Amino acid sequence: QSVLTQPPSESAAPGQKVTISCSGGSSNIGNSYVSWYQQLPGTAPKLLIYENNKRPSGIPDRFSGSKSGTSATLGITGLQTGDEADYYCGTWDTSLSVWLFGGGTKLTVL
Amino acid sequence: EVQLVESGGGLVQPGGSLRLSCAASGFTFSGYWMTWVRQAPGKGLEWVANIKQDESENFYVDSVKGRFTFSRDNAKKSLYLQMDSLRAEDTAVYYCARTANTAIDYWGQGTLVTVSS
Repeated sequence: QSVLTQPPSESAAPGQKVTISCSGGSSNIGNSYVSWYQQLPGTAPKLLIYENNKRPSGIPDRFSGSKSGTSATLGITGLQTGDEADYYCGTWDTSLSVWLFGGGTKLTVL
Repeated sequence: EVQLVESGGGLVQPGGSLRLSCAASGFTFSGYWMTWVRQAPGKGLEWVANIKQDESENFYVDSVKGRFTFSRDNAKKSLYLQMDSLRAEDTAVYYCARTANTAIDYWGQGTLVTVSS
């Protein structure tokens, strides 16, 4: 059971939009920046979003992030079959002094 | 180009030891916190430990405290994870990664550690 809670799965059709939620607490999401990671099948994770809503160079603007209080959200628009992957949120917990990952959300593009 | 290459994984018996290494290139290694993350087969990501630029601070997940030791050699641009008293639940792909203040921004391809008799 992860401290950061994500839905196990989400699905949407190609071209549509999907949002993935990440819920935490005051000592983690509520007090730290949130980042998001994409893990395509059989590959290492890749940074998608950092500092709640910033995209690293090379990440398309179809990917967006937001944070409110103790929750964060990853949005993906214009879904493509290549977006099928596991998505993880992550943040530092200032009370536990540990990095936390959400349990991961498996995205299916139908 | 940032590159992180892990090595040292393999099969080890319960109670045994293994030392993972990670070779870094393409960035100023001594300027970054570094991190190990693991992923058990079919499971999610689990942060294991991180280390400050000058080794003055280390943090570990509770499940490995007292068994794993994370160190670095800035001159060799290398990381090391000494894993002792290994358990079956330590079986995972271990990734070394760079931490840029607020996010884990670059990841290696991982090395598989299997703890089994």
